Amino acid sequence: NAGVTQTPKFRILKIGQSMTLQCTQDMNHNYMYWYRQDPGMGLKLIYYSVGAGITDKGEVPNGYNVSRSTTEDFPLRLELAAPSQTSVYFCASSLGFSGELFFGEGSRLTVL
Amino acid sequence: AQSVAQPEDQVNVAEGNPLTVKCTYSVSGNPYLFWYVQYPNRGLQFLLKYITGDNLVKGSYGFEAEFNKSQTSFHLKKPSALVSDSALYFCAVRDDTDKLIFGTGTRLQVFP
Repeated sequence: NAGVTQTPKFRILKIGQSMTLQCTQDMNHNYMYWYRQDPGMGLKLIYYSVGAGITDKGEVPNGYNVSRSTTEDFPLRLELAAPSQTSVYFCASSLGFSGELFFGEGSRLTVL
Repeated sequence: AQSVAQPEDQVNVAEGNPLTVKCTYSVSGNPYLFWYVQYPNRGLQFLLKYITGDNLVKGSYGFEAEFNKSQTSFHLKKPSALVSDSALYFCAVRDDTDKLIFGTGTRLQVFP
C-alpha cells in the first residue's frame, strides 16, 4: 500500500518553462489536494478535487492548473514558471473533508 | 473568517520533560481541529483531531491535545518528550467551506 506518491521529488526550472507535478493515490479517496509550503508560512491550498471530473480553486491558484480524470490521479500543471513558484509542493488525499489527510513526500521545485 | 495561530516559532524542551505546543483558533460554529507532524524532508502526518466530545483527545506517538472552548485553544501535549519527537508541528482548523486552514508551524526541539 503506497499511499500518496508524488513525482518528481526535485526539479529545477527556468523562468517561463512549464512542467507537471504528478500525484497518485491508491486508497480510493475521493478528495485530493495540492498545497505549497513556504518557510514560515505554513501550507497554502492551491487546488482541490472532490472526485473525478471535479476541481476547484483554493487560496493560491494563480499560475497553476489541475485535472482529475481518474480517482487515483491529480496532476498539477505549472505554466510559465516564475521565481515566486519556488516552493515545496505537497499532494494529499482524504476520505472526506473532516477526515485526516494523507500526504505525499513532497516535490521541491526551484525556478531560476 | 476562520483562522488558526501558533504563537511560538520554536519550542525547546529537555528529554523526559513534558512538552506543550500552543494553538489558538477562530471559527464560526463548532470547530474541527487537527494536529499534524512533519519530519525533515517528509510529508505531514496526522496526529489527532477534535470533532466533538471529550475535551482531551489522545493521538499517535503518546501525544494528546486539550480543547478549551472558552480560551479558543487546542494545545498539543506530551507528558515525557523524546529526542525523536523533534519535528515541525502544525495545527489546523476546518473552515466553513470544509477545507483545512493550517497554522504556520512550530518547530519542536527536544534536547538529550
